[in-house]
Amino acid sequence: QKEVEQDPGPLSVPEGAIVSLNCTYSNSAFQYFMWYRQYSRKGPELLMYTYSSGNKEDGRFTAQVDKSSKYISLFIRDSQPSDSATYLCAFEKNSGGGADGLTFGKGTHLIIQP
Amino acid sequence: KAGVTQTPRYLIKTRGQQVTLSCSPISGHRSVSWYQQTPGQGLQFLFEYFSETQRNKGNFPGRFSGRQFSNSRSEMNVSTLELGDSALYLCASSALLVSGTYEQYFGPGTRLTVT
Repeated sequence: QKEVEQDPGPLSVPEGAIVSLNCTYSNSAFQYFMWYRQYSRKGPELLMYTYSSGNKEDGRFTAQVDKSSKYISLFIRDSQPSDSATYLCAFEKNSGGGADGLTFGKGTHLIIQP
Repeated sequence: KAGVTQTPRYLIKTRGQQVTLSCSPISGHRSVSWYQQTPGQGLQFLFEYFSETQRNKGNFPGRFSGRQFSNSRSEMNVSTLELGDSALYLCASSALLVSGTYEQYFGPGTRLTVT
């Protein structure tokens, strides 16, 4: 069983739609949960960071963590063409500061159609 | 505040050669991590440095090494390059926030092509 599973897509939705991106994980030691956005030929950009089960909202983005099911989600409301990118889920075990190294999903390629 | 910078942005090397990549973290950040990104394996952790000490290392061969200087700038070195080392090498810096949590920021990466 892979440590992190993430559907690579592509996921294509019309502008204005609500987007749901998901990852499952198997390692119970993961305590910190992140979502990154990566545009083509750019480095990943941190979108959301959380360390507890439940929801966290930031503008049009909502991160959801369910530790009991080992499942995390990212919702994007009112999606825009500029949201077209690859979205990576990431996990860390202990420090939350990157010292242990992040474990990434393979990324979901999202396309928002104008 | 300036972001994480990496040099060079693009590099072409021949099999068997060695290469050194450089990373300058965000001002005030003392932790620097390195990652390798390939289409097949995705993003994989190489190693992390804090105050010139390597605190953690990923599952990569000894050909991959790094160091950090007193100003927090970091370099990674790959010796005896193989075709499979072709990848985007990403550097990330992180710092403790007032909230007590950390955030990690990535640079644009160095695209290494081994021929």
